Amino acid sequence: DTGVSQDPRHKITKRGQNVTFRCDPISEHNRLYWYRQTLGQGPEFLTYFQNEAQLEKSRLLSDRFSAERPKGSFSTLEIQRTEQGDSAMYLCASSWDSYEQYFGPGTRLTVT
Amino acid sequence: GENVEQHPSTLSVQEGDSAVIKCTYSDSASNYFPWYKQELGKRPQLIIDIRSNVGEKKDQRIAVTLNKTAKHFSLHITETQPEDSAVYFCATYTGGFKTIFGAGTRLFVKA
Repeated sequence: DTGVSQDPRHKITKRGQNVTFRCDPISEHNRLYWYRQTLGQGPEFLTYFQNEAQLEKSRLLSDRFSAERPKGSFSTLEIQRTEQGDSAMYLCASSWDSYEQYFGPGTRLTVT
Repeated sequence: GENVEQHPSTLSVQEGDSAVIKCTYSDSASNYFPWYKQELGKRPQLIIDIRSNVGEKKDQRIAVTLNKTAKHFSLHITETQPEDSAVYFCATYTGGFKTIFGAGTRLFVKA
């Protein structure tokens, strides 16, 4: 499969725990994006990487959220001290020097 | 702040009819306007896009129009089919590749 992949696909965690998600973009893509989507809403921009540099970060992203893309390939999104309001689908997308983004299948997070 | 308003939130049409979804945006620096289709439980998929130097673009049964002066753009689907039923999202790029999505339109095509 040469598309964007995300792992895990589903995560259930207790409030207060830390979680980490992984995104593997299409191999030649240099741009990578993270979004959060809640039921009935459009994807909400969280952050953007060009190669390994994190160039944009949403003001909505609290200090509990951090993302990395250490070698300009895969990326991780970590949420510390999860809250019930963090329950959502976390989507990753990638693109190559163009605007067109290809989305991964998402990681569904449930915080109990 | 930056936002994209999308209307209607729900649209029901008879098979074969046309469907139109409209979006307005606030940031005049927006220069790229994609439309995504998301079926239940699946990832968003780009169906058509338009750049700010173009007023209209068509791809088979779908078309997008852009009015930069009025800051609105629309998706037109002609000869709708049941498989067009999905949630459609408009989006804009507002500088530095930050993407703002609309809230979505749930389209039902009745056979």
